[in-house]
Amino acid sequence: RKEVEQDPGPFNVPEGATVAFNCTYSNSASQSFFWYRQDCRKEPKLLMSVYSSGNEDGRFTAQLNRASQYISLLIRDSKLSDSATYLCVVLFSGSARQLTFGSGTQLTVLP
Amino acid sequence: NAGVTQTPKFQVLKTGQSMTLQCAQDMNHNSMYWYRQDPGMGLRLIYYSASEGTTDKGEVPNGYNVSRLNKREFSLRLESAAPSQTSVYFCASSEARQVGETQYFGPGTRLLVL
Repeated sequence: RKEVEQDPGPFNVPEGATVAFNCTYSNSASQSFFWYRQDCRKEPKLLMSVYSSGNEDGRFTAQLNRASQYISLLIRDSKLSDSATYLCVVLFSGSARQLTFGSGTQLTVLP
Repeated sequence: NAGVTQTPKFQVLKTGQSMTLQCAQDMNHNSMYWYRQDPGMGLRLIYYSASEGTTDKGEVPNGYNVSRLNKREFSLRLESAAPSQTSVYFCASSEARQVGETQYFGPGTRLLVL
């Protein structure tokens, strides 16, 4: 079983739609959580950190459910420029800053 | 301010050849990392260097060696390339002042081993 699992998609949504991605992690002793964004044939870039209380950054909302060991990312009012692969990333306790990456969820926003 | 740079961008090798992937960062970061990314598998850590002068194995170190030449540079060497090492290689860096801080990635090196 992978330590960080994501639905690979692809998710194809029309512009303006709301879309949600989930990610589950296997190790309950996890420390920090992130969403990274990766455009086609480019490097990953941090989208947002995920805090226990949930956090919002413009159209993006991240939530963490420690009891169920999942993280979610909600994108409202999707734009064409949101088309990318979204990577769920977990830092497990005691892993000396070794981030564990999910394989990513591919999103295409259609005009 | 270039951030994290990697050379080369693309490389084709024959089985058994050796090569070194170069990485440099100009953000004065303490920690540097090498990952590989394969379809459907996410990024996997090969080696990392928590600070200048130290290196440690990650999840998939076999077949690779690294050198932290100085604070700026962290190189990855394939001594005898194998087709299984065909992948996209990313270098990353972070300040390493607190756990879980942002890692900044280079643009990647696309390697094909025939």
